[in-house]
Amino acid sequence: QSALTQPRSVSGSPGQSVSISCTGTSSNVGGYNYVSWYQQHPGKAPKLMIYDVNKRPSGVPDRFSGSKSGNTASLTISGLQAEDEAGYYCCSYAGSSTKLFGGGTKLTVL
Amino acid sequence: EVQLLESGGNLVQPGGSLRLSCAASGFTFSSFAMSWVRQAPGEGLEWVSVISSSGGGTYYADSVKGRFTISRDNSKNTLYLQMNSLRAEDAAVYFCAKDQSNRFFDYWGQGTLVTVSS
Repeated sequence: QSALTQPRSVSGSPGQSVSISCTGTSSNVGGYNYVSWYQQHPGKAPKLMIYDVNKRPSGVPDRFSGSKSGNTASLTISGLQAEDEAGYYCCSYAGSSTKLFGGGTKLTVL
Repeated sequence: EVQLLESGGNLVQPGGSLRLSCAASGFTFSSFAMSWVRQAPGEGLEWVSVISSSGGGTYYADSVKGRFTISRDNSKNTLYLQMNSLRAEDAAVYFCAKDQSNRFFDYWGQGTLVTVSS
């Protein structure tokens, strides 16, 4: 299966909001409410930021939110902070116990 | 505190084999599925394989099917990945991750580096 489609990069100034899209098909993103988002700083392990489309784990700021419409999921970060600069990856259940990641998006805080 | 510690990464020649391990602590290992996820240098994340809590169910990405085998020893709280017939494109940092019922990965290890080169 091909990776989910994410923009290669997005940017925003401190305090602004940015959204990152994640487009799949009805066999993955559109077929299940099991989309998750991960933040990865260089040289570090990924960190869970959103699960089940729009749920936040304990400890993740409420500036991070998720949504889904059809075959496209989105991660929105409001009130951008310098520490939000990182790579972001979406992931979706794709049936038969398999999962599919997006290609990743580099967020730059200007 | 949940901890996942991978080991076993190394330099291996194309066609060679390697076994990775992931030692888990801080949670009831035998109650959760576990996955391996890899990341080639400068590239994105790729899900590799998942094993059910009991070990009775295993699933693989097409890119590794028939060459990699995932297993676990619940008595030792350890996850394994046996990698055979390694190719240059298998070179990556391999992460183990605690898998929440196929929905998401809530904890990750720091990764172990596999280099495939002659």
